[in-house]
Amino acid sequence: GAVVSQHPSRVICKSGTSVKIECRSLDFQATTMFWYRQFPKQSLMLMATSNEGSKATYEQGVEKDKFLINHASLTLSTLTVTSAHPEDSSFYICSARTSEADNQPQHFGDGTRLSIL
Amino acid sequence: GESVGLHLPTLSVQEGDNSIINCAYSNSASDYFIWYKQESGKGPQFIIDIRSNMDKRQGQRVTVLLNKTVKHLSLQIAATQPGDSAVYFCAEIPGGGATNKLIFGTGTLLAVQP
Repeated sequence: GAVVSQHPSRVICKSGTSVKIECRSLDFQATTMFWYRQFPKQSLMLMATSNEGSKATYEQGVEKDKFLINHASLTLSTLTVTSAHPEDSSFYICSARTSEADNQPQHFGDGTRLSIL
Repeated sequence: GESVGLHLPTLSVQEGDNSIINCAYSNSASDYFIWYKQESGKGPQFIIDIRSNMDKRQGQRVTVLLNKTVKHLSLQIAATQPGDSAVYFCAEIPGGGATNKLIFGTGTLLAVQP
C-alpha cells in the first residue's frame, strides 16, 4: 500500500518551455501532498505543500509564479515549471501522507529528472 | 535556522557486518523522526520512524535509537547486505507536527563491500 506515482520520470526540453509533472496517490487519498527539489548529492529541499481544493503553501525563496501547483483532486497534484531555464534542471520529487493525523510518514514518488537545455 | 545534520557523509562496510548511521538534530522541540533510504534515481523509501516518547524502536534488521539529551538519532542495520547500499536520510518534524513538514538531513552514503 501507500504507492505514490510520478509522471514523467524524465523530461528533456528546451529553455523557455513549461513542463508539467504529475503526482498521484494510487491506493489512498491525500489531502496534502508535498513537492521537493533535490540537486545531485544533496538533500531534499521542500518547495511547497499542496493542499487539495486550496492554494499551495510555498517555502521561503520559492517563486509561486514559477512553480505552479494544482491539487484538484484527492489523488492528484501537479507541478508546472513555467518558462524553464537550465538552472531549473533538477530532480523533483513529490510525497503524500496516508493520514492527516500528526506524526505520520510521508511516502514518496520515484521523482522526475528535469533537464533543460 | 533549524537543521538536521549527519556526522558521516560516507560509510563503507563489509557485507554481513552491522552498520550504524548517525544523525544530529538541532530542534529540541521535534517530536517525530524518520529514516529514509534513497537508491540512485529513485525517491526516498520509508524505513522506520520513532516518536520522541521512545528511545528505541526495532524493525526487520533495523533499529533506530533516539537520544533526546544530546539530540542524536542513529540507524542500525544488522547483517548489512549489498542491497542496503544507498543514501540514508534522517528527517524530523519539528514541534508538534501541526504542519507535518519534514526537514531532511544531509544524507549518508552507505557502501556495502562484498
